[in-house]
Order: sequence, then structure tokens, then C-alpha cells
Amino acid sequence: DSGVTQTPKHLITATGQRVTLRCSPRSGDLSVYWYQQSLDQGLQFLIQYYNGEERAKGNILERFSAQQFPDLHSELNLSSLELGDSALYFCASSVVTSGSGEQFFGPGTRLTVL
Amino acid sequence: LAKTTQPISMDSYEGQEVNITCSHNNIATNDYITWYQQFPSQGPRFIIQGYKTKVTNEVASLFIPADRKSSTLSLPRVSLSDTAVYYCLVGDMGNTGFQKLVFGTGTRLLVSP
Repeated sequence: DSGVTQTPKHLITATGQRVTLRCSPRSGDLSVYWYQQSLDQGLQFLIQYYNGEERAKGNILERFSAQQFPDLHSELNLSSLELGDSALYFCASSVVTSGSGEQFFGPGTRLTVL
Repeated sequence: LAKTTQPISMDSYEGQEVNITCSHNNIATNDYITWYQQFPSQGPRFIIQGYKTKVTNEVASLFIPADRKSSTLSLPRVSLSDTAVYYCLVGDMGNTGFQKLVFGTGTRLLVSP
């Protein structure tokens, strides 16, 4: 158990819909990262937040957005869903913000878009 | 932006040493190299991290040559439970500019009895 929690574990929805994925980082970790893992794209970094502020952006679509709240939990919002958005979405947290440091990954949310 | 390349798969036997190499030709000065292990339907788990030369911990060693354009994860005496996918990650999250963290394509290691 990494100490990072993600809800829900599974999510099934239809194209065009909007969903919200939630992540609670390890106690004391200020940085939260979001990743997408699909069969054909591997692990893709989406976005990072540190103490409520966006710090780095990866391959995140404009239809996706994220935020980190004062209690440090984070939400990833996916809208206008397409079939290709079906994937595992991981959240990770770390205590350091600089280039080194270990990220602790949550168990993931499996999103299926029908 | 560092692009990483790994072998797709490797096979080994219990008790052998396994070396997995990741190529990252355009690694940036501030980039670190991190390796993760992932089992099916689980999040990746940190193995080891380094910047240059050699790093060793209780489970693995990481070798990084002087030019840093590649790195090699070494797993001593693998067991069946080491069967997993191994990813290298290159990146620097300290830069407030939009530096990306880039995962390698992953190497599927199969350890047989």
C-alpha cells in the first residue's frame, strides 16, 4: 500500500460524458502527478500540482483539466469523453518538488468509455 | 525533451542477474533517471534513481555512463516475483517551465524457474 488513494476504482461511462477522478496523496506529500496508461500509448505524464498550483504539464488534452485543493487532494476532470480516453489513470504523490525524489503511485482508476 | 527507448521484453531464469538498458539520447542537464516496476493492474513502484555513475540500493543497481545517454538497471539474482514490467523515467520536475516527465516504453521481464 503506497498510501495514495484513488476513487473510484472503476468507471464506465458513455462518449460525450464528463467524469471526475479523485486522488488523495500520502500524508505530507505536497506534489501530485497524474498519468494516463493505455495499451497503445504506455504511461503518459499528464500534469503535476504542487501545494495547489500547477507546476508542469505533459500530454494533457484540452478536454482534460485538474486541480489540487487546499487539503491537497486532487481531481482530474475528463470531459467530452471519447472511446480513446479509455485507460488506466494513475495519480502519484511525492514530497519533493525538484527533479529527484520518489513518486508513490495509487492503485489507479480504470475508465471505460462505451 | 528526452525520448526513452527500452527493449520490449526479456527472459531470464531464477537466480540470474538481469540487466535492462534504457536509451535516452537527448537527456537534459537537470534530468534524473528513475526506474519503476509495475505489476498488472497496479501502480508503478519505485526501484531506484540516479543522476550519474552508479547507484545501489537493497534491491537493484543503476549504472549511468558519463555521457548519460543511457542507463542500465541491474537486478541481482532475480526470482519469480520479479516478473513484471520495468520502466525508466527521465525528467526534472523542479523546473517551473513545462518540462515533461517521459516514461520509457517499458520492458516486460519474464522470470522462469
